[in-house]
Parts: sequence; C-alpha cells; structure tokens
Amino acid sequence: RKEVEQDPGPFNVPEGATVAFNCTYSNSASQSFFWYRQDCRKEPKLLMSVYSSGNEDGRFTAQLNRASQYISLLIRDSKLSDSATYLCVVNSHNTDKLIFGTGTRLQVFP
Amino acid sequence: DAGVTQSPTHLIKTRGQQVTLRCSPKSGHDTVSWYQQALGQGPQFIFQYYEEEERQRGNFPDRFSGHQFPNYSSELNVNALLLGDSALYLCASSLLTGGYNEQFFGPGTRLTVL
Repeated sequence: RKEVEQDPGPFNVPEGATVAFNCTYSNSASQSFFWYRQDCRKEPKLLMSVYSSGNEDGRFTAQLNRASQYISLLIRDSKLSDSATYLCVVNSHNTDKLIFGTGTRLQVFP
Repeated sequence: DAGVTQSPTHLIKTRGQQVTLRCSPKSGHDTVSWYQQALGQGPQFIFQYYEEEERQRGNFPDRFSGHQFPNYSSELNVNALLLGDSALYLCASSLLTGGYNEQFFGPGTRLTVL
C-alpha cells in the first residue's frame, strides 16, 4: 500500500465549476500536510499547508481529518489557469522527508 | 534573490554510464534534499544533506550517492545507470530550524537513459 494515495484523475471540469480532491495517508505519525501544484514539466510549488481546523486561501480550501487520515482540497470557481497536477504531500515527525502522492490531474475547459 | 538552481536542465546517457547532477540552494538555505520523479508519479525522496553529511535517506540503492559542499551546494551521483533511472531529478532547499522546514524546489534535471 502506498503511503499517500490519490485518485490520478484526470478531472475535466468547465470554468466556474467547483472541484474536490481527496487523499489518504497511511502513517499515523505524519505531522505536516500540504498540497503542492505542479504544472506540466515544471517543479512542484507549495499551494497551501493543511491544518485540522481547515484553512482557506481565496478560492482554495484545504481540510485535514486526522482520525480518518484523510486530506481534501476544494477549488471553487475554477479558472483555466488552475489546470495542473495537484500533489498531496505529508511528512513525518522530526523529519523533512516529504512523501508525495502520485498527483491528481485537473483540466479546466472553457 | 536567486531561487534554487539546477544543472544541467537535460541530460542523455546510456546504460552503465555514470552521471552527476548539481544543485545550488536558495540564498540563506543550508539543507538540500534530492527527489526522483518518474513519469506519471509523484516525487520520491532520495536523500537529504546538511552540514556536508547525509542526514536522511530514502529507499534508493547505493548507486545513488551525494555530496554537499561548504557553500551548501550539492551534487547527486548515479552510477551504473539503468533504463529505470530515467526521470526528473528535483533538488529542494530549506533552512534547518526546529519543526518542519518548508522546502523550495528547483526546476529539475531531466535525465534520459538509453
């Protein structure tokens, strides 16, 4: 079983749609959680950190459920520029080792 | 303020050869991590260097080795290349403090092994 599991997609949605991505992780010792965005043939870039209390950044909302070991990302009012691969990432206590999921590909069409 | 830089951007090698990839961390950072990203997969942690020593290592064979220099730059060496080593190699830098330290990624080196 992979340490971080995501639906690879692709998710094809029209502009303006709301789309949600989910991710599960297997190591209960994981301490920090993130969503990264990766454009085609580019490096991953931090989109947002994820907290149990939930956090929002504009059209993006991330949520963590430690009991279920589940992380989510909600994108509202999708833009063409949101088309990318979204990587779910965790790391364990006292380590900087990042563990990535395979990524979920999002394609927003006009 | 320069971000993380990597060289070369692309590289083509044949099976059995050896390769060296280079990384310069973001200004002010002292820690360098290397990741391998195969096509269609998420990046996988290879190892991390701090104070010129390997601090952590992922599940990669000894063919993968590294080095960190006094100026914090780093090299990744891969010996006896296999076809399966074809991937995007990403370097990430951070500043080691207590707790988790955000990692900033470079643009990567795309290695093709023929």
